[in-house]
Amino acid sequence: EIVLTQSPATLSLSPGERATLSCGASQSVSSSYLAWYQQKPGLAPRLLMYDASRRATGIPDRFSGSGSGTDFTLTISRLEPEDFAVYYCQQYSSSPLTFGGGTKVEIK
Amino acid sequence: QVQLQESGPGLVKPSGTLSLTCAVSGGSISSISWWTWVRQTPGKGLQWIGEIYHSGSTNYNPSLKSRVTISVDKSKSQFSLKLTSVTAADTAVYFCARKDSSTWSFDYWGQGTVVTVSS
Repeated sequence: EIVLTQSPATLSLSPGERATLSCGASQSVSSSYLAWYQQKPGLAPRLLMYDASRRATGIPDRFSGSGSGTDFTLTISRLEPEDFAVYYCQQYSSSPLTFGGGTKVEIK
Repeated sequence: QVQLQESGPGLVKPSGTLSLTCAVSGGSISSISWWTWVRQTPGKGLQWIGEIYHSGSTNYNPSLKSRVTISVDKSKSQFSLKLTSVTAADTAVYFCARKDSSTWSFDYWGQGTVVTVSS
């Protein structure tokens, strides 16, 4: 099973700042089969990125993803008020599909 | 726009069976997609339970495989989860989701349903 470790656990930033979230895998994620999700309290996760760097439908271009192998990054170029949430990475390179533990982006 | 809606008992007794159904609307359950169950707990976070294709092919998380059955009813446009021999550790928010075969990621989700295992 591929274990995904997200860091930091919490990121305290102000609106307009840049957010950089990391996701490390215990073994290589082939073909960059990694997705990122955003979750707000009481709601289901929302797909942001897939294949590590492709934005899902309707996702603004302030969100970008990068990485390959065992190291992946989600960047939010300028935080908007609606971006404060928890973010999860998820790999679909091998079964079982697994999620990271999440990074909470909170208002400083 | 695909919509997913979970339904089922919110309370299950220990050693009992958890049964949930996910109704699919706004799209065909026979599309090229895998229909998935994911659960979320404060302690273990998000956990993939398993998935089913409209043909009936399934994949399960090995950690739950001995207790899980996922089935599909195309005539009702729904798929279901059964988890047997439940314990308090199975208390979670259960989500159904669609895994799209072009992105292989979960692009549509239900709102989630809370299931508590307690006597």
